[in-house]
Formats: sequence, structure tokens, C-alpha cells
Amino acid sequence: GENVEQHPSTLSVQEGDSAVIKCTYSDSASNYFPWYKQELGKRPQLIIDIRSNVGEKKDQRIAVTLNKTAKHFSLHITETQPEDSAVYFCAASSSGGFKTIFGAGTRLFVKA
Amino acid sequence: DADVTQTPRNRITKTGKRIMLECSQTKGHDRMYWYRQDPGLGLRLIYYSFDVKDINKGEISDGYSVSRQAQAKFSLSLESAIPNQTALYFCATSDSDRGHEKLFFGSGTQLSVL
Repeated sequence: GENVEQHPSTLSVQEGDSAVIKCTYSDSASNYFPWYKQELGKRPQLIIDIRSNVGEKKDQRIAVTLNKTAKHFSLHITETQPEDSAVYFCAASSSGGFKTIFGAGTRLFVKA
Repeated sequence: DADVTQTPRNRITKTGKRIMLECSQTKGHDRMYWYRQDPGLGLRLIYYSFDVKDINKGEISDGYSVSRQAQAKFSLSLESAIPNQTALYFCATSDSDRGHEKLFFGSGTQLSVL
């Protein structure tokens, strides 16, 4: 069945460094790739998304890249800050989007 | 602000008990979902509904049932709770008009089955 793998499961960086989280997906029909951030004790919230007709998208300090051929997509956070500490989930879905498949999550620690 | 509200926030119950988790939304979205979150497993889809007369099973529906009482209300039931149903449960909504599924999550219900 459809699967999304996410790595690493835990990531620790120094404040100001960059963080990269990588995901792979199995369903060739997937064409929408959202990223959700879940702070401790809070609900997941969408932070950025990318569609399959786009290779890269940026929003201030965060960016996502997509390689459809390799079925890889990544989240890049630059100039990390303590408030970036959270669990990040990648996900994939197809048009009609009734079933979003999530990765297992990456716990990011940003050390001050 | 339009929101997705879940009740209760926390619940402790015993094995074999029936329990219902409730979700209501003021976002005006057609689509509603129930997800379960377990450490290291991400978010897994239990059931989803596109409108009041539509109910669909997700990845892990065994042991669960749902009811879509109105466009704004979607409840999840555990008919006979078991300890491995201990988890954090999230209700979510999305807007079908947007084409792609941006999910808006409720605040979650932490369920413990003893």
C-alpha cells in the first residue's frame, strides 16, 4: 500500500544552523506534499506545502524541494531558532485528496 | 475564529467500556476525519466522511465506528475499548473546494485505556 518514509526520526541542531528532513513516498499518483509542525502538547498545523508541478517552494526560513522522479521531498529550515523545536510530519496525497499518508515524524531540537 | 473542537481533552477508561469522542467544527468544511497518533508511527487515518451520508474506512478502522450527525459534527466510538487503543486522537477537517487536502486539526483527545 501507500507509504511515506521520513528521516531522521530525531534531529538536534545548534541555533542558527540549518536543518533538513527528508521523505520518500511510494504512490506515483501522489501530487500534493504538505508539511505539518506539531509543538509540544499542540495540534499539528500546516507550515508549507508543494504540488507536483513545482520543484521548490520557499517561505521565509523554510523551503521544500520535490524530486518526482526519485519520489523524494525535503524540508529545509535555515537559521534555526529555539521556537523551531517541534515534531515535523511530511505527508503525501493525490488529487481528490481523500487520503493523506503521513510520515512517522521528526523530532527537531534546536539548542540555544 | 473558525475552529475544530474536540471533547473531551483527556479520558481515562477501562478495558471493555464503550467510549465516544466528539468533534465539531465551525469552519464550514465538508470533509471530516479521525486520526490516531502514536509515538514513532505518525498520524494514521481511522475514518473519514465527505458529507453527512458518506462514511469511509481508513487505514486502521477495526475496533472503531463513527457517526456524522451533521455537517459540523463527527463522532468516533470505541465499542469495547482495549489497552492498545491508548493514543492521542485528532479530528480534522478539509475544504473540498480547494482540490488538495489541507487539513485543519482539532486540539486532540488523549485517551488512556487501562
